[in-house]
Amino acid sequence: DADVTQTPRNRITKTGKRIMLECSQTKGHDRMYWYRQDPGLGLRLIYYSFDVKDINKGEISDGYSVSRQAQAKFSLSLESAIPNQTALYFCATSDSAGGVPDTQYFGPGTRLTVL
Amino acid sequence: RKEVEQDPGPFNVPEGATVAFNCTYSNSASQSFFWYRQDCRKEPKLLMSVYSSGNEDGRFTAQLNRASQYISLLIRDSKLSDSATYLCVVNAGAGSYQLTFGKGTKLSVIP
Repeated sequence: DADVTQTPRNRITKTGKRIMLECSQTKGHDRMYWYRQDPGLGLRLIYYSFDVKDINKGEISDGYSVSRQAQAKFSLSLESAIPNQTALYFCATSDSAGGVPDTQYFGPGTRLTVL
Repeated sequence: RKEVEQDPGPFNVPEGATVAFNCTYSNSASQSFFWYRQDCRKEPKLLMSVYSSGNEDGRFTAQLNRASQYISLLIRDSKLSDSATYLCVVNAGAGSYQLTFGKGTKLSVIP
């Protein structure tokens, strides 16, 4: 079974709709991240969370919100989707136990299309 | 502005060839360095961490030059299965857990 799962894997929606992308992990990591990937732009950080009570904006948080429901769950919401939010979205986790920036483990991605 | 720069390629090489990718980063405070591999439409996966003294993992060798803020990846005896996009990744500054990703270098290994 995958350690980091994302649902849905694919979603097509219309402009103005509210969308939630969910991420769950069984790795026991405390840190979770949401990225989007666009062709030619690479991965960009949307939000990150270092524990359930710690939520931080990333590079491109406008138009997005997040919720850390539990250590293992981190969801990303688009309150009113717009076409330029069409992208591949990845959730990732990492472990702070080592005390140094460490490897991030990615989920399989959600392909979102906003029409 | 924090940046990680890579040649996007594509690098088209025959099986068995040796190929090298380079990457430069702008934040001198970065202290963690990685190479990730990403297959088409799949998630990035860690290929290897990059250590100051350089490190090797089978056919893959990574080097770090802090003075020049430069990271390299060498792949020897290329296999068809090495075809992928290789992402250079650095942390965003001293003690930061945020990672900055390069846009990737695409490698195609040809039979």
